[in-house]
Amino acid sequence: QKEVEQNSGPLSVPEGAIASLNCTYSDRVSQSFFWYRQYSGKSPELIMSIYSNGDKEDGRFTAQLNKASQYVSLLIRDSQPSDSATYLCAVNSGAGSYQLTFGKGTKLSVIP
Amino acid sequence: NAGVTQTPKFQVLKTGQSMTLQCAQDMNHNSMYWYRQDPGMGLRLIYYSASEGTTDKGEVPNGYNVSRLNKREFSLRLESAAPSQTSVYFCASSEVSAWPGNTIYFGEGSWLTVV
Repeated sequence: QKEVEQNSGPLSVPEGAIASLNCTYSDRVSQSFFWYRQYSGKSPELIMSIYSNGDKEDGRFTAQLNKASQYVSLLIRDSQPSDSATYLCAVNSGAGSYQLTFGKGTKLSVIP
Repeated sequence: NAGVTQTPKFQVLKTGQSMTLQCAQDMNHNSMYWYRQDPGMGLRLIYYSASEGTTDKGEVPNGYNVSRLNKREFSLRLESAAPSQTSVYFCASSEVSAWPGNTIYFGEGSWLTVV
């Protein structure tokens, strides 16, 4: 059973601070990793994808991947109230696998 | 740009009734998916279709059937609804698959309540 674990939160950070969201996965052959943002009552939307060890930056978002530790994280710099949402980590096991396994999500609340 | 369109958005069913959730995408994607999302359980894959003419079971297929009608359309059928199928259902599509990282695009969701 492939598992993706996230702290459920809620994670509360003040406006302007860095929010750090973490995710661990059980399947060592996992190849691609995604972070989705989901506002309440809405569908998930992709905000970051990462495939190689290290950091990947996109605006205020940085995804970090460590395959040896089976760990992926998302940093949100200069957090804004509009970042308040549930963040879902998703993992794909590689070639031939059409299935994404999602974590249960971390609820982030950015306090003005 | 419609993307992935699901119907209906809201539905209330009585136990034992049947219904079909419709999904269509206009992005010319090969792969389509049906997920359900429950509080505390996250998103779970029900069925997927890697390409037109193929369908495969996901993590929670029991009680559901699917039809890949053509490249655009992928429907989900509940033959005899049960209260345990009360959930939010998301249809999604991607260009080839989730590897090596093609984006999965989600529809807006269908809220289903079985009483």
